[in-house]
This record gives sequence, C-alpha cells and structure tokens, in this order.
Amino acid sequence: GQNIDQPTEMTATEGAIVQINCTYQTSGFNGLFWYQQHAGEAPTFLSYNVLDGLEEKGRFSSFLSRSKGYSYLLLKELQMKDSASYLCAVLDSNYQLIWGAGTKLIIKP
Amino acid sequence: GAVVSQHPSRVICKSGTSVKIECRSLDFQATTMFWYRQFPKQSLMLMATSNEGSKATYEQGVEKDKFLINHASLTLSTLTVTSAHPEDSSFYICSARDPGTDRNIQYFGAGTRLSVL
Repeated sequence: GQNIDQPTEMTATEGAIVQINCTYQTSGFNGLFWYQQHAGEAPTFLSYNVLDGLEEKGRFSSFLSRSKGYSYLLLKELQMKDSASYLCAVLDSNYQLIWGAGTKLIIKP
Repeated sequence: GAVVSQHPSRVICKSGTSVKIECRSLDFQATTMFWYRQFPKQSLMLMATSNEGSKATYEQGVEKDKFLINHASLTLSTLTVTSAHPEDSSFYICSARDPGTDRNIQYFGAGTRLSVL
C-alpha cells in the first residue's frame, strides 16, 4: 500500500531551527509537496520538489532524496506564527495526491 | 500563486436539509477540482475529483448520491451535501490545479465548516 510517515508533533523555540521529516512509500512518484495548515484553516502551499536536492525559499527550505523516499522541511528563525500543522504529500504515478497525517509544530517563546 | 475561492466559509443547517458549497478558480481555468473532507486533528481525506463537463470520480466509500458534485464550467465546481445529518458535520475543502503551470500544485479554497444540528 501507499504510506507517508511524519512525526505527529514537534516542539521548538522561537528563533531556532526545526526540521520536519517525511518518509514515503508510494506507487510511482511525480513530486512531493509541503503545505502549512493553521488550525481551522485550509492548507497553503509551501514547496514542491520533484528532483533531488534542496530548494530554499526564504526561511523555509525543502529537501528531497528520491532514492531514500525521504524529504524534510527546514524552518529557520522560527516565529510564533509558524505554529501550525505541516502536511507532506506525494503525487503518485496516477497523479493522485497521497497525504501524510501532518506534523503539529508548537513554537514556544 | 493561483487563487481559489470557496463559499460559504461556515454554514449551520438543520438535519435533513441540503447544503451547497461553491468552489471557484479566480485567475485560471481549472479542468479538474478536488473535494476534501477533514475531521478535527486528522489529515485531509479526498472525497472526489471533479472534472469539467463530465461526472465526478468518487473515492471508495463516498456516497455519490449523498455528495453531489457539479463542475459546469472551467471555473466553478459545486458540492451539495444532500439530506445532511449530524455525522456530515465536518470541514470541507476544495482545491484546484492550475494547468498553466507544470508543477501540479493544488491550491486550496479557504474551506467550509459545516455544522448539522
């Protein structure tokens, strides 16, 4: 079956750096997405990786290793507003998005 | 990024009534839109894929007669929850892909919180 694993919850300190990992096993691969979802709101797009390597976008970076079925989202200079759930999703061979359960990130002052 | 508008943001209705939710792509034409359902503290669950000009494709376990989807134009898809019951109370979210890009990114509407009394 298809499976995406990410930690349920993480805690970090304001101003610090946090890395949220995601491992996947899917039938085919057409890209990996990271979305941010604040409580009670819809997800917002953060990043899309289809090739191996690191993509940096401001304070957020996303890394992909297709051979290892692994990705991470790196958040730098954490701010209180970064408290949210971070969803990892993989586009499979049928172009269906397979969603992880999300990682709830708690930022402490 | 592309903008997807969803309306209403919140609806409270009596058991047995029907509720229609609209999803619009504002600055692009979407041949395909997606409808999700999300329960508290759970991940997104795809309900159906809405295809412009044809029937929607429903995921296993989703009742097509209960959740009616109409994708009448390239910018509008609607989800109607028919004869709603309290167990239908949930957060419903639509999304759309912008075919003008190659990035397969799904952009989400703001979501509709449905409460059935």
